[in-house]
Amino acid sequence: DQQVKQNSPSLSVQEGRISILNCDYTNSMFDYFLWYKKYPAEGPTFLISISSIKDKNEDGRFTVFLNKSAKHLSLHIVPSQPGDSAVYFCAASFSDKVIFGPGTSLSVIP
Amino acid sequence: DVKVTQSSRYLVKRTGEKVFLECVQDMDHENMFWYRQDPGLGLRLIYFSYDVKMKEKGDIPEGYSVSREKKERFSLILESASTNQTSMYLCASSFSWQGTGELFFGEGSRLTVL
Repeated sequence: DQQVKQNSPSLSVQEGRISILNCDYTNSMFDYFLWYKKYPAEGPTFLISISSIKDKNEDGRFTVFLNKSAKHLSLHIVPSQPGDSAVYFCAASFSDKVIFGPGTSLSVIP
Repeated sequence: DVKVTQSSRYLVKRTGEKVFLECVQDMDHENMFWYRQDPGLGLRLIYFSYDVKMKEKGDIPEGYSVSREKKERFSLILESASTNQTSMYLCASSFSWQGTGELFFGEGSRLTVL
């Protein structure tokens, strides 16, 4: 049973618009939530994280929102750029163990 | 910059062969991890290690073993490769004190078992 779920395998967005990627989790022990970005033939790279004691974290065009009661988080990218086209993995961690979701492939159309 | 280096980008092996995948990191990280990535399944944790000679099973350890004789090196071993182990294997490392889950990944090793 997956502890971290990303129910949308893919998403297409026009350049300049907002991209919203969603993630749900089941284990209330998770204390950090992260987003990683992966280009083909490369390893994932860390994008942004949020502690379980916060509900929002912003870094430039990227904002992560956490709703603990719903066990849901989302990544907002505004404005979306063609270079943002990649697979985005949601991840959750506790005690140094990191569990990943299945990923969402984002395509930003020029 | 943190660097995590995986020994082979592409490997082709035959069923029953023994396979070694090696990973080296240069940032003195305590934690090291092996994941496999498959379409629709994301990254699944095979094994991880908190320290030299320490290892913990992840979610899918069956058919794999690991070795960590030095802090900077973490090896994944497939004792007898099978076709269902065809996958992309990703090594990662992190600081133990950080506790945030920020991992640094290598570029991956794509293994094909025929």
